[in-house]
Amino acid sequence: DTAVSQTPKYLVTQMGNDKSIKCEQNLGHDTMYWYKQDSKKFLKIMFSYNNKELIINETVPNRFSPKSPDKAHLNLHINSLELGDSAVYFCASSQEVGGLAHEQFFGPGTRLTVL
Amino acid sequence: EDQVTQSPEALRLQEGESSSLNCSYTVSGLRGLFWYRQDPGKGPEFLFTLYSAGEEKEKERLKATLTKKESFLHITAPKPEDSATYLCAVQADGSNYQLIWGAGTKLIIKP
Repeated sequence: DTAVSQTPKYLVTQMGNDKSIKCEQNLGHDTMYWYKQDSKKFLKIMFSYNNKELIINETVPNRFSPKSPDKAHLNLHINSLELGDSAVYFCASSQEVGGLAHEQFFGPGTRLTVL
Repeated sequence: EDQVTQSPEALRLQEGESSSLNCSYTVSGLRGLFWYRQDPGKGPEFLFTLYSAGEEKEKERLKATLTKKESFLHITAPKPEDSATYLCAVQADGSNYQLIWGAGTKLIIKP
């Protein structure tokens, strides 16, 4: 009964390849996120979807394209992978209720290594 | 510019030695401040949400407090299993659910 799940957990690939990471949440939340955590452990927001609508689109290369087929899923597709894309990618979800800020729940992460 | 700064970067304590971690923030208006714990190879795990100055929350050996400029995570009589990186994040007014994250404090508790 995992709350936020990601696949795969590890992804090793060659430069120039295209890859996808999948995320699913079973919490019934309406907002989902993609984060990148670099080697210094700093969490950087990449994208956020609320009810399948893109609401946060930070400055990331357009090689990165999120897709939300429904409220429970948010996938990340990366084209033409580069060495600098190597990092841990986290998916998260949250539910805003009554105008209060609410916590985000994170998946286990996908460690991407580009060779 | 909205900003979150955590200190110290790393903290080594003996088991049972109480201490505090600091999270200073600068935002135009605070909607919420969050504390998370992250273990190696895992995603951040939610600990607390604080909404207004003077608020306090506790969970086992952890207690989080909030003022208008900073938050403290107090750890009382820590155990080795409390070793982790502790992350602080804030959500500002008009931020569209976006969190501003600190760089974290790596806590090591030696037996």
